[in-house]
Amino acid sequence: EAGVAQSPRYKIIEKRQSVAFWCNPISGHATLYWYQQILGQGPKLLIQFQNNGVVDDSQLPKDRFSAERLKGVDSTLKIQPAKLEDSAVYLCASTLAGQGEGYGYTFGSGTRLTVV
Amino acid sequence: SQQGEEDPQALSIQEGENATMNCSYKTSINNLQWYRQNSGRGLVHLILIRSNEREKHSGRLRVTLDTSKKSSSLLITASRAADTASYFCATGRNNLFFGTGTRLTVIP
Repeated sequence: EAGVAQSPRYKIIEKRQSVAFWCNPISGHATLYWYQQILGQGPKLLIQFQNNGVVDDSQLPKDRFSAERLKGVDSTLKIQPAKLEDSAVYLCASTLAGQGEGYGYTFGSGTRLTVV
Repeated sequence: SQQGEEDPQALSIQEGENATMNCSYKTSINNLQWYRQNSGRGLVHLILIRSNEREKHSGRLRVTLDTSKKSSSLLITASRAADTASYFCATGRNNLFFGTGTRLTVIP
């Protein structure tokens, strides 16, 4: 089966600019996550979708970050305006059902964002 | 926080040796998962152990879980250079929360 697709692979922007990341999960996976991974740290959850509804966005900096999952399939994560501290790898993951159901996550390769 | 914390932060071994990584967490769990991340790549799911399981095997991997101590360990036997990566434990009730990982280096 095809994996989780993410694009772009790399992105360099200046601070205060906007940027968008795209994710296509594994077909049939109802749950989609966006994680932020700063160099040397573990992934930090930003937002969880179940189909096209938001389940948890408590750790999403909503003043600058937004995400949507139209039609319960693809998802986009946007940052506007970007700050230097947003430099990180943004990982998308999907799973058949929620974490409570006991399914492993499938991660994409991530988008490495550098804000200069 | 529900996140797991791995120990040690870094581990360097010779090829063929066994590598053991530990994970501690703070709250009750449904399951605990281990992931591997090669440099610059996404995370790969290795193994999931449920709260009612004590030990699980997958190839050269052995995971144990002690819910009374809120801890888990990942053992990689007969390590290979290709096992060089960061290893993360992750747990949580509705979402997965990750620790900071153990950086494993296997020297050929």
